[in-house]
Amino acid sequence: DQQVKQNSPSLSVQEGRISILNCDYTNSMFDYFLWYKKYPAEGPTFLISISSIKDKNEDGRFTVFLNKSAKHLSLHIVPSQPGDSAVYFCAAKGLSSGSARQLTFGSGTQLTVLP
Amino acid sequence: GAGVSQSPSNKVTEKGKDVELRCDPISGHTALYWYRQSLGQGLEFLIYFQGNSAPDKSGLPSDRFSAERTGGSVSTLTIQRTQQEDSAVYLCASSLTGGASDEQFFGPGTRLTVL
Repeated sequence: DQQVKQNSPSLSVQEGRISILNCDYTNSMFDYFLWYKKYPAEGPTFLISISSIKDKNEDGRFTVFLNKSAKHLSLHIVPSQPGDSAVYFCAAKGLSSGSARQLTFGSGTQLTVLP
Repeated sequence: GAGVSQSPSNKVTEKGKDVELRCDPISGHTALYWYRQSLGQGLEFLIYFQGNSAPDKSGLPSDRFSAERTGGSVSTLTIQRTQQEDSAVYLCASSLTGGASDEQFFGPGTRLTVL
């Protein structure tokens, strides 16, 4: 039973355009969401996060949007750059629950930015 | 400073053998996590250590899996009588305090292949 789902295993966009990566979750106890980026042979690195009390968080070229009623979040990258090509993982945790420390991950989306 | 390191980077073993995977967290980080990523899947939580508290073992898939953290620093994940379904990338992460919104820093992982 996947509690965090990334339904698109891959996405290709042209350099300079917007990349939109999507993530859905089913556990209503999740109240903190994160995006991680992973290059081959490296561990995931934290990119951006959002608390459930917000619906948007922006950091430079990266913006995360949260729609709680739809249990959906998305990561926007604009403008996309070739160096953004990586696997992007959506992750969630429930801060107010007993298992707040562990992250629940989606299966990842491979983003390829074409020059 | 140095990040999370893991060894070996790759391990090939025969079915039925025991394996040990090592994680060196970031110095001063009190919390340590083990995850694994099977092919085409997201990262799956295995176990969490926080200081001297009893570890959270709720993610361990079977009693063939165990982990130790000696002296509050280095951790070893042991898989006994390995099975082919144990083949995965095993990732270790550490965080400063283990707090709910603490960032987890990941190591590069150990790729385990069970023949």
